[in-house]
Amino acid sequence: DAMVIQNPRYQVTQFGKPVTLSCSQTLNHNVMYWYQQKSSQAPKLLFHYYDKDFNNEADTPDNFQSRRPNTSFCFLDIRSPGLGDAAMYLCATSRDPQGSNQPQHFGDGTRLSIL
Amino acid sequence: AQTVTQSQPEMSVQEAETVTLSCTYDTSESDYYLFWYKQPPSRQMILVIRQEAYKQQNATENRFSVNFQKAAKSFSLKISDSQLGDAAMYFCAYRTGANSKLTFGKGITLSVRP
Repeated sequence: DAMVIQNPRYQVTQFGKPVTLSCSQTLNHNVMYWYQQKSSQAPKLLFHYYDKDFNNEADTPDNFQSRRPNTSFCFLDIRSPGLGDAAMYLCATSRDPQGSNQPQHFGDGTRLSIL
Repeated sequence: AQTVTQSQPEMSVQEAETVTLSCTYDTSESDYYLFWYKQPPSRQMILVIRQEAYKQQNATENRFSVNFQKAAKSFSLKISDSQLGDAAMYFCAYRTGANSKLTFGKGITLSVRP
């Protein structure tokens, strides 16, 4: 089945130690999104790629970076994780949503813990 | 700026009964789309139902239906014949036709009593 796959499901890192979360998709969608979701809260969009075009949210800390080497893969890099970065990170994809009702398709998420 | 409001943080329903989850939104756009997403505990967020603003007919997907009141900017979700598997957090979300970004409400936690 076509899907959005996030690895790993659980990631533990040390305070200040860089960490990379990965997302892959078999849906061939041109838009990929990264969200941060804290417990019992709505997902907060960090950034998204529209094809190769990177779109950063104004309030996303510089500590968070992203890479999209090809259509299928997208990475979230946290350069120096702080305790406040402990959260669930969700990857989502969609077809070109402009002028259409295309929904976003979500992965299972990666739960990040900071020691 | 567009906002999505889910004023009820929690609701509970008896199995087999019907429950309605409320959502209101604020926008000055005429072209937009509305969605309800379901997120079970520790599981994937999935689309429940979607509605195009230009459509007057309310969307329906099996036991799930919406009451879309465009003038009132209201988009409630009705779950009929509630099942234990319906227990989850439900998010109402909005997107304009020209933008790929979703604006989410704060979500509502639905519990189903056996």
